[in-house]
Amino acid sequence: SQQGEEDPQALSIQEGENATMNCSYKTSINNLQWYRQNSGRGLVHLILIRSNEREKHSGRLRVTLDTSKKSSSLLITASRAADTASYFCATDPDNYGQNFVFGPGTRLSVLP
Amino acid sequence: DAGVTQSPTHLIKTRGQQVTLRCSPKSGHDTVSWYQQALGQGPQFIFQYYEEEERQRGNFPDRFSGHQFPNYSSELNVNALLLGDSALYLCASSLGGLVVVDEQFFGPGTRLTVL
Repeated sequence: SQQGEEDPQALSIQEGENATMNCSYKTSINNLQWYRQNSGRGLVHLILIRSNEREKHSGRLRVTLDTSKKSSSLLITASRAADTASYFCATDPDNYGQNFVFGPGTRLSVLP
Repeated sequence: DAGVTQSPTHLIKTRGQQVTLRCSPKSGHDTVSWYQQALGQGPQFIFQYYEEEERQRGNFPDRFSGHQFPNYSSELNVNALLLGDSALYLCASSLGGLVVVDEQFFGPGTRLTVL
């Protein structure tokens, strides 16, 4: 089974609203990263949060990490139509030899 | 400063054929990872190359092999193609020599279709 699981699988909101996506994982990690992908093309790195951090901000993005619950959330505030994309969380497990693991993603649609 | 580049952009093959995909990492990066992304799914880790050696490998059969050159560029080879190999193949580069992987930079991907 996958290390990271995003929730919900799909989300549809109006422009200007906030979008929240959640990610759960199974093993302890070094860091957790969020990526965006437009129309099945390359992934764009959004933000990295380390295991000893609880919250991080970048522009309209806010990421939280709760290592006790093995979960993270990505909040996009004041969403725009250009935010329409798939969002993935990826974890770097802290056991050497385990690879970098992506969840199945949340497909966000921001309606104008 | 060029980012990660991949070639070709699209590729169509038939079952049983072999394919080679290419990746050039971001300037200054020495580690290349390959991922397979099926339609509607998240990327699945294939393997990672550092110092011209395979450092980590995901759950993929031996039909998937790779190579890293002294200039850090990399190739992904897939033999005996199956219909299920149809996917977007993504290359990512990072700075290696560490167990912990920080930010990875992704290329635009190669869309492989197996008929």
